[in-house]
Amino acid sequence: NAGVMQNPRHLVRRRGQEARLRCSPMKGHSHVYWYRQLPEEGLKFMVYLQKENIIDESGMPKERFSAEFPKEGPSILRIQQVVRGDSAAYFCASSPSRAGSGYTFGSGTRLTVV
Amino acid sequence: DQQVKQNSPSLSVQEGRISILNCDYTNSMFDYFLWYKKYPAEGPTFLISISSIKDKNEDGRFTVFLNKSAKHLSLHIVPSQPGDSAVYFCAASGINNDMRFGAGTRLTVKP
Repeated sequence: NAGVMQNPRHLVRRRGQEARLRCSPMKGHSHVYWYRQLPEEGLKFMVYLQKENIIDESGMPKERFSAEFPKEGPSILRIQQVVRGDSAAYFCASSPSRAGSGYTFGSGTRLTVV
Repeated sequence: DQQVKQNSPSLSVQEGRISILNCDYTNSMFDYFLWYKKYPAEGPTFLISISSIKDKNEDGRFTVFLNKSAKHLSLHIVPSQPGDSAVYFCAASGINNDMRFGAGTRLTVKP
C-alpha cells in the first residue's frame, strides 16, 4: 500500500537547466497538489490538479513553471531555466476527494540549484 | 496573500505540560481546518481536522478548537511528550478543494 511517491528525493541542477519533479499519488486518489517550502518558510501552495485538468494554479510563478497530471502516469512539476531562488523542497500531496479528508503528502523533492 | 497565519514561529514546553499552538485565518469561505505535523526531511503528516460546523474535535492527546467569529483555531496537546517535537502546520480549505497552509510553528518539548 504505497503512499504518495515522489522522485527524485534530491535533485541538483545548474542554473539554466530544467528540473522535472515527479509525483505518483496514492492508489485511488485523483487529486494532486504541489507545494513549495523555501528555507525557514512554510508550505506555499502552487497548483492543484485532477487528471488531465489544472483546477487551480494561482500559486504558480507566471514564468518557467508548469505542471501536468496526465491520464496515465505521474504528475510532473517542470521548472525551466532554473535559478538559485528555485532551490527549495517541493512537496506533492494527493487526496481522494474533498480536502477535508486530509491530504497525504510525499516525502518531497529537495531541489538545489548550483 | 497570507490567508492562514501562524504568528509564533516557535514554542518550547516542558514534558507533561500542555502545548497550545495558534492559528488565524482571513478567508471566511474556509470550511475545513486541519493540523499537520512535520519532521525534518519528511513530508507533513495529517494530525487532526475540524469542520466549520463544530467548535471542538478531540483525538487522544490532541484537541483542536475553532472560534469562527474570531477566525481562530488552536491545537492543544496534553500531556506533551518529547516525540511531539516537530513543526506543526495549520491548514484551511474551502469549496474549491485546495488547501492553504500557515508558516508553521516549531514545537520543542523538553524532557
